Amino acid sequence: QLQLQESGPGLVKPSETLSLICTVSGGSISSSSYYWGWIRQPPGKGLEWIGSIYYSGSTHYNPSLKSRVTISVDTSKDQFSLKLSSVTAADTAVYYCARVRIVVVPVPEFDPWGQGTLVTVSS
Amino acid sequence: QSVLTQPPSASGTPGQRVTISCSGSSSNIGSNYVYWYQHLPGTAPKLLIYRNNQRPSGVPDRFSGSKSGTSASLAISGLRSEDEADYYCATWDDSLSGHVVFGGGTKLTVL
Repeated sequence: QLQLQESGPGLVKPSETLSLICTVSGGSISSSSYYWGWIRQPPGKGLEWIGSIYYSGSTHYNPSLKSRVTISVDTSKDQFSLKLSSVTAADTAVYYCARVRIVVVPVPEFDPWGQGTLVTVSS
Repeated sequence: QSVLTQPPSASGTPGQRVTISCSGSSSNIGSNYVYWYQHLPGTAPKLLIYRNNQRPSGVPDRFSGSKSGTSASLAISGLRSEDEADYYCATWDDSLSGHVVFGGGTKLTVL
């Protein structure tokens, strides 16, 4: 069955760029029916959508993060990645990747999810 | 401040029926499907309801979703201790070129 796995540094310094990769296994990232997305949850807070990408490279971003976020895809490796620049302590969170269903638009039908990875922003 | 408004907490006793509300606007809930997630500590969120009222395979029929106008609700009947979790609603918002919005989450306590 389809599985997703996040990977990347667990500690990032303030003002630097957070970089994560999500590897898809058990299926192809080049499906016409899905986008691929990133969601995060800061400690003690709720879920926040970061953005989603189609295998062609088409993206949608959270307007509040858009100026700092880049999501890209590597279909040859069945991977998509997240880069978040100029991070602060407020970007400390568990970061999840997930498959995203398309219903005209990439609706928040996230399934399945990766297990999540904690990224701490600290010097 | 979340675009979708949920009560921060809800509670019930085993066997009881509880509902969790999610309030939005015409640009989000009013014109798009609503989705619900169950989130247990230390695990990935689980899709509970999709397209307003559809249950993925494996989700008990004790869970049901509904939508009316710019509001939606999640109902849990026959409450069980393992239902104690955080619940989030989510939808697409047509404003600002389109984006996903989540509710702030509701912590459900089974007394």
